[in-house]
Amino acid sequence: AQSVTQPDIHITVSEGASLELRCNYSYGATPYLFWYVQSPGQGLQLLLKYFSGDTLVQGIKGFEAEFKRSQSSFNLRKPSVHWSDAAEYFCAVGARSDYKLSFGAGTTVTVRA
Amino acid sequence: EPEVTQTPSHQVTQMGQEVILRCVPISNHLYFYWYRQILGQKVEFLVSFYNNEISEKSEIFDDQFSVERPDGSNFTLKIRSTKLEDSAMYFCASSDGGVQYFGPGTRLTVT
Repeated sequence: AQSVTQPDIHITVSEGASLELRCNYSYGATPYLFWYVQSPGQGLQLLLKYFSGDTLVQGIKGFEAEFKRSQSSFNLRKPSVHWSDAAEYFCAVGARSDYKLSFGAGTTVTVRA
Repeated sequence: EPEVTQTPSHQVTQMGQEVILRCVPISNHLYFYWYRQILGQKVEFLVSFYNNEISEKSEIFDDQFSVERPDGSNFTLKIRSTKLEDSAMYFCASSDGGVQYFGPGTRLTVT
């Protein structure tokens, strides 16, 4: 069975500082990995995905993530956070691209001025 | 940019009543999904639908739940007899076999 752990429930970061959100997955084969963002009252917006190939993937809004098979991780990073990045971030894993997604519990990011 | 839409945005219903949540997937997508998120909990998979039939369903998706694609554009989730524990945000998603794109959700409140 596939599963995702997001160890950090809540992170507070200053505007302009860097951000890293952790994600660990459990799946026996090569996973399909995703990061989604949910702003208050909004749906889930895809930030980026990893299917295969280059392990460093670029996404929207200046985010990137690195797939590390040896650590079963897919951490999300942004070099300089903007106040509009305050939201909840979800890591998700699927067995293949059309398969059901298993989500982590989410990390809430607060940005302070 | 194409997007998944859902109606209504908020539905309040009494326990035991039937509800139908509606979704309009992205037009060229063939795979459809329902997920739900109970307040404070993870987003959970309910059901996937492809080629006019359910391809997979979770343990949550019992006989009280059904899905339908009544025409070429809508995808619906029906809960026959709602329970208090069905209160959640319900998300529809669609894909072309790649990334799943999510709608804004329907908040269902069962009283």
